[in-house]
Amino acid sequence: AQTVTQSQPEMSVQEAETVTLSCTYDTSESNYYLFWYKQPPSRQMILVIRQEAYKQQNATENRFSVNFQKAAKSFSLKISDSQLGDTAMYFCAFPPTSRDSSYKLIFGSGTRLLVRP
Amino acid sequence: ETGVTQTPRHLVMGMTNKKSLKCEQHLGHNAMYWYKQSAKKPLELMFVYSLEERVENNSVPSRFSPECPNSSHLFLHLHTLQPEDSALYLCASSQVGTGVNYGYTFGSGTRLTVV
Repeated sequence: AQTVTQSQPEMSVQEAETVTLSCTYDTSESNYYLFWYKQPPSRQMILVIRQEAYKQQNATENRFSVNFQKAAKSFSLKISDSQLGDTAMYFCAFPPTSRDSSYKLIFGSGTRLLVRP
Repeated sequence: ETGVTQTPRHLVMGMTNKKSLKCEQHLGHNAMYWYKQSAKKPLELMFVYSLEERVENNSVPSRFSPECPNSSHLFLHLHTLQPEDSALYLCASSQVGTGVNYGYTFGSGTRLTVV
C-alpha cells in the first residue's frame, strides 16, 4: 500500500534559525512527484515545493529546500531563516500511482510548526 | 476572481437539514477534488472528478452527494448528516493528462458543524 509518514507531530524553531521536517513514503513506482503543502491558520493549503523523483537535484524555492533520498524513500523539508509567517501545519503528499489519470494525492498526518519570536 | 473559491466559509446545520457546498475554480483545470479534514486525522479523499466524470468515490456515505456540472464548478450536497461529519471540507483542482504533475490548488475550505 502507498503510505506517507510524518513522524513529527509538532516542532518549534526560533525565528531566523533553520528547521527540518521529515517525511517518508512507500511506493513501488519509479517515477513520481512529491509535494510539501503548508496550511496556516487561514486554512488554505498552499503548495510550498515540488520534487520530481527522476531528478537527482533537490528542489529549492527561496528559503525552502528539500533533501530527497530516493533509495531511502525520504523527502524532508528544510526551512532556512525561519519567519513568524512560517507558523503552520506542513503536509507531505504524493500520488499513489504515476498512472493515475486523476493525479489524486495522499497526505501525511502533518507536522505543526511554531516559529518563536 | 482567481484560484479556487469555496462557499460558504462556515456552515452550521442540523441533522435533518439539506445544504450544499460550492467550489469554483478559475484556473482552467480539468480535475476537481473533495477532501475531508478532521481533527487529528490525515486528509481523506472523498471524490475525484476528471474531465467532469466522477472517477473516484472513496466509500463515502450516500448522505454526501457530489455534482460537477462543468469543469469549473463542483458541489457537495449534504443531507441527514451525523455529528461525526463535522469537519473542514476542502476543494482542490488540478490539471491532468499533461504528463506533468504540478499538484493541487486548494480553496480555503468550508468549516462544517453538524448539530
